[in-house]
Amino acid sequence: GAVVSQHPSWVICKSGTSVKIECRSLDFQATTMFWYRQFPKQSLMLMATSNEGSKATYEQGVEKDKFLINHASLTLSTLTVTSAHPEDSSFYICSAREGTTHSPLHFGNGTRLTVT
Amino acid sequence: QKEVEQDPGPLSVPEGAIVSLNCTYSNSAFQYFMWYRQYSRKGPELLMYTYSSGNKEDGRFTAQVDKSSKYISLFIRDSQPSDSATYLCAMRQSAGNMLTFGGGTRLMVKP
Repeated sequence: GAVVSQHPSWVICKSGTSVKIECRSLDFQATTMFWYRQFPKQSLMLMATSNEGSKATYEQGVEKDKFLINHASLTLSTLTVTSAHPEDSSFYICSAREGTTHSPLHFGNGTRLTVT
Repeated sequence: QKEVEQDPGPLSVPEGAIVSLNCTYSNSAFQYFMWYRQYSRKGPELLMYTYSSGNKEDGRFTAQVDKSSKYISLFIRDSQPSDSATYLCAMRQSAGNMLTFGGGTRLMVKP
């Protein structure tokens, strides 16, 4: 089945620094990937839709200058949290769809970000 | 009112029990319905994927969709301790990409 790999699985950084999270589709090409954020004991919140070769589409309330998304190839999307603050600490999960828009989403294993 | 409602639980059952997990929704435009299993500190894993109304079975799992009632269910037969996780329902419209998730139900299967 479709495998989505996310790296790193956890990261600790200091306030003010930037952190990059990678999301790869291992055995399929994904023109669209999605970035979610999940707080403890809560469901997933869509942050942005990443489109290969074009700008990402951000959900309302998500700062595009803070959460930079780059989808440089059909198998790689990156999320960079810039000038991180402790309130950015969260679980970030990417997902991708194999095949047509009728196909289901497959998720990576998430990245736990802790900002100190 | 949320677009997708799901009882957060926790739901505690003994090993071997039949588990019933449910979601209700308000948007009649939803056409695709999914169930994901999420272990602690892991990403969601797709369990079942159905289109429109009807039943779908895969091993110990059965998904049911009743669009007339705007109600979907996931049944787990012969539940195992390894089934202990949070189960998320998700759905989307026919032409859209965006998934709408339920809040998740935490399931605990006790040996």
